[in-house]
Amino acid sequence: GAVVSQHPSWVICKSGTSVKIECRSLDFQATTMFWYRQFPKQSLMLMATSNEGSKATYEQGVEKDKFLINHASLTLSTLTVTSAHPEDSSFYICSARSRLAVFNEQFFGPGTRLTVL
Amino acid sequence: GQNIDQPTEMTATEGAIVQINCTYQTSGFNGLFWYQQHAGEAPTFLSYNVLDGLEEKGRFSSFLSRSKGYSYLLLKELQMKDSASYLCAVRDPGSARQLTFGSGTQLTVLP
Repeated sequence: GAVVSQHPSWVICKSGTSVKIECRSLDFQATTMFWYRQFPKQSLMLMATSNEGSKATYEQGVEKDKFLINHASLTLSTLTVTSAHPEDSSFYICSARSRLAVFNEQFFGPGTRLTVL
Repeated sequence: GQNIDQPTEMTATEGAIVQINCTYQTSGFNGLFWYQQHAGEAPTFLSYNVLDGLEEKGRFSSFLSRSKGYSYLLLKELQMKDSASYLCAVRDPGSARQLTFGSGTQLTVLP
């Protein structure tokens, strides 16, 4: 149980285009999902917290107009990187929190490797 | 503010025991997690401590001292597959229960 999927697993795009990444909780309902960014050999940096049916809460320094987050259902959250630039190239990971988990812990998706040319 | 420190790298030998330390200074505390992350993959949950003491789970154990802001992850009978990054994360007590991660410790297990 507690499986989180992400799609796509990797994407290459041209500078200036937009990319959408999907995060799904496959076998549980996730009222809260989190989006992280991880640069090579660095740890996970929280970008935003997404609650179903409400606006996402962004961390300081993360542009909400550039990283659009939609959490339309209890099993799906999407992150759209708008007007992507090479500096946006990174590993994007989502996680979902399950109330039914023993420690109320977060379960992570497999990540999406974004490369902007 | 949030400050979580871990050693950057550690090396150990197959079959040995290794202890990865984590110290934290955070504005709130609602538990400490350890995750394992292999290169290019998502983190996987290893352990959770919210009270002081040792939690044992097979070859992995985790210890917490809240008064000292200190935790460690103990790995016994090391295997080659244990080579990975180990992330210490503190959970915020707020409604969102956000995690703040340390920079991770890259463990290399040598034959």
